[in-house]
Amino acid sequence: AQTVTQSQPEMSVQEAETVTLSCTYDTSESDYYLFWYKQPPSRQMILVIRQEAYKQQNATENRFSVNFQKAAKSFSLKISDSQLGDAAMYFCAYRSGVYNQGGKLIFGQGTELSVKP
Amino acid sequence: DSGVTQTPKHLITATGQRVTLRCSPRSGDLSVYWYQQSLDQGLQFLIHYYNGEERAKGNILERFSAQQFPDLHSELNLSSLELGDSALYFCASSPTLLQVLGTDTQYFGPGTRLTVL
Repeated sequence: AQTVTQSQPEMSVQEAETVTLSCTYDTSESDYYLFWYKQPPSRQMILVIRQEAYKQQNATENRFSVNFQKAAKSFSLKISDSQLGDAAMYFCAYRSGVYNQGGKLIFGQGTELSVKP
Repeated sequence: DSGVTQTPKHLITATGQRVTLRCSPRSGDLSVYWYQQSLDQGLQFLIHYYNGEERAKGNILERFSAQQFPDLHSELNLSSLELGDSALYFCASSPTLLQVLGTDTQYFGPGTRLTVL
């Protein structure tokens, strides 16, 4: 079974600085997708960024980028120029690309990010 | 706003009772996923429906059931409620051509907060 691990329960960053959130996963599959979701105090789950395992190029969305290391099964999220609105719980998630595995997301435990002004 | 709606936002009930949570997916989305978020279990996949048919089950208790109707909205039924069922229940939807199930991004609704007293 696939697992996702986020080893940092809490992180803190100064406004305008850069922070990296870590995520590792375990799978025997070669076809899969990885996601970072943000959950602010409103509790809404918001997609931040997505990475296809077959793509070597790291995904980037504005100030958010990932470092995808497939061999190491690592998928970290870098937030540049941190803003107060980035304060939230961040979840790393795995989704199998195998047809008969369904489309469920497997989540890590989350990392609570605080941003200091 | 993800386009996924969930009702009610909050639900307070007593042990032993039965409740129904409702989800309307984004327009045109065929897949509906249900997730449970609790303090001790984290975010867990419950069940997936595609175009009215159950596609996958996760850690869903026998006391829980779901269905997806012809208009694609879905309901999650929770019965014989226990204190431990108190959680935030999310619905997510995705377009999902079944043949490419793993490629879709899931968009989450705002959740229903269930409190069992």
